[in-house]
Amino acid sequence: KQEVTQIPAALSVPEGENLVLNCSFTDSAIYNLQWFRQDPGKGLTSLLLIQSSQREQTSGRLNASLDKSSGRSTLYIAASQPGDSATYLCASTNAGGTSYGKLTFGQGTILTVHP
Amino acid sequence: SQTIHQWPATLVQPVGSPLSLECTVEGTSNPNLYWYRQAAGRGLQLLFYSVGIGQISSEVPQNLSASRPQDRQFILSSKKLLLSDSGFYLCAWSALYTDTQYFGPGTRLTVL
Repeated sequence: KQEVTQIPAALSVPEGENLVLNCSFTDSAIYNLQWFRQDPGKGLTSLLLIQSSQREQTSGRLNASLDKSSGRSTLYIAASQPGDSATYLCASTNAGGTSYGKLTFGQGTILTVHP
Repeated sequence: SQTIHQWPATLVQPVGSPLSLECTVEGTSNPNLYWYRQAAGRGLQLLFYSVGIGQISSEVPQNLSASRPQDRQFILSSKKLLLSDSGFYLCAWSALYTDTQYFGPGTRLTVL
């Protein structure tokens, strides 16, 4: 059974800092790894999706990397802004038959960027 | 463009009462549909998923059930709510044979 862990659970940084959020998974047989953002009381917004054959994906100030062999993914946020404050969740989709399309989520990292 | 709706946005129900949460998707056909629950301290858990009308798969044994009466409609139900059913319920969809899931705004359920 896939288990996804995110470290740290919470992070507070001053505006302008570059930061890294970590995600690890126990079963390396994944289709892909996704990063989501969740604002308080809201649904999830997909940020980046990395296919199992890829090493990284970039969108604006965000860069996500994937190392299947070590069971790790990182989300790098450059030049953080107060508007980046949210909970960031990573989720894996596991390979094989009936597992297709089903996400296993980590507990999330609560990010606070203060002015 | 595609949109996903959930209602109600918030709900307070007594223990033992029935439940019906609705999710609809617009702007796409034959989506995969998912129900998740986010409970305090437990993260996001997949409850049900559906790959077509009338096709429902359950991920965990529980007090809830799901139905898909139409292609773009997904309903989460319970006959008798438990305190442990409280949480934030999220519906999501993905296009057939693609991986990215798109989430609705969620329903906050409090069982008293």
